[in-house]
Amino acid sequence: QKEVEQNSGPLSVPEGAIASLNCTYSDRGSQSFFWYRQYSGKSPELIMSIYSNGDKEDGRFTAQLNKASQYVSLLIRDSQPSDSATYLCAVMYRNNDMRFGAGTRLTVKP
Amino acid sequence: DVKVTQSSRYLVKRTGEKVFLECVQDMDHENMFWYRQDPGLGLRLIYFSYDVKMKEKGDIPEGYSVSREKKERFSLILESASTNQTSMYLCASTLTDTQYFGPGTRLTVL
Repeated sequence: QKEVEQNSGPLSVPEGAIASLNCTYSDRGSQSFFWYRQYSGKSPELIMSIYSNGDKEDGRFTAQLNKASQYVSLLIRDSQPSDSATYLCAVMYRNNDMRFGAGTRLTVKP
Repeated sequence: DVKVTQSSRYLVKRTGEKVFLECVQDMDHENMFWYRQDPGLGLRLIYFSYDVKMKEKGDIPEGYSVSREKKERFSLILESASTNQTSMYLCASTLTDTQYFGPGTRLTVL
């Protein structure tokens, strides 16, 4: 079974705080992991991809991957109200089969 | 610029009708996907295609079929629409692993 699990939230943080989003996946053979952001009424858009264990930073965003624990996370530093959205974790399985988690709704309060 | 288009933003159909949802990408991508998105359930994969005339079932293929006669076009077909197929339908295409989404079609089946 190709499962991707996320805390459904909602998650609420004050402006300027760190938002932490978590995801676990079921298939140890997975090699590619992604975080997508989806604003209300819009389509998902890619914000981060990660392929190796450890941290990957891009501006205020840091993705963390731990393949042994089958765990991937996204940290958003200095959260802004414009970061309020649903964040979707995605895992690519063999044959380019991509599966998504249910998403975590984040609200950043001014 | 990456572009994935879907034939309709909003569609209303009656139970038992045959419904066609079209997706076109202009990026010469190999892989194309159809998802449905429902509140609390996230994105669920219906079908994907990794080449012309090739298709693979996703998690929820029942009640749906697909067609990919040309590389740029991937169609989702509801043979006999039912009310439980009321949903947001999202098409995506990928070259390597980044998925680019269309704007979505909100289908209502009465």
